[in-house]
Amino acid sequence: KNEVEQSPQNLTAQEGEFITINCSYSVGISALHWLQQHPGGGIVSLFMLSSGKKKHGRLIATINIQEKHSSLHITASHPRDSAVYICAVLSRLPLQNFGNEKLTFGTGTRLTIIP
Amino acid sequence: ETGVTQTPRHLVMGMTNKKSLKCEQHLGHNAMYWYKQSAKKPLELMFVYNFKEQTENNSVPSRFSPECPNSSHLFLHLHTLQPEDSALYLCASSQGINYGYTFGSGTRLTVV
Repeated sequence: KNEVEQSPQNLTAQEGEFITINCSYSVGISALHWLQQHPGGGIVSLFMLSSGKKKHGRLIATINIQEKHSSLHITASHPRDSAVYICAVLSRLPLQNFGNEKLTFGTGTRLTIIP
Repeated sequence: ETGVTQTPRHLVMGMTNKKSLKCEQHLGHNAMYWYKQSAKKPLELMFVYNFKEQTENNSVPSRFSPECPNSSHLFLHLHTLQPEDSALYLCASSQGINYGYTFGSGTRLTVV
């Protein structure tokens, strides 16, 4: 079982729909990242959060540390939002020095928004 | 462009070839990373460099050899690869544990 689980694996929705992607993790973390990967392969960091909620434009990310769960929401979805959304958790490696942290990734959620 | 540049974008190589992937960032970040992304699998951390020193080698086979000559450049030297090494190789950099990561666009490697 992966330390970071995302659901759903694939999601197809109509333009304008409200989208929710979920992420659950089983390890202690320092922070959680939501990333967006377009078909060309490049990855863009959307959010890094360690508590509460963050909002950027039509994107909202929430995290519940006690429940080890995070959600990414997209309001008024648009075809250009079609991408793979990846949840990644940041945890410290045994050494406590700077740079000794590790990102563990989920397998991603492939989102397709149909016009 | 994210500020992390990877070259080449695509690479096809035979199992007996030697090639290198290059990553460059001028964001002032001190940590640089190589990740491997295989089909339908999560990204896997391969190597971490912190202030040009390798701080993590995640049980990567010796046919992958990283090099970090300075804090702005990171290389991944490849030799005698196997077809199962075909994947997207992503470079990333960060300023520290409390900061976000910046990823490059990746090099899609095909080993034939």
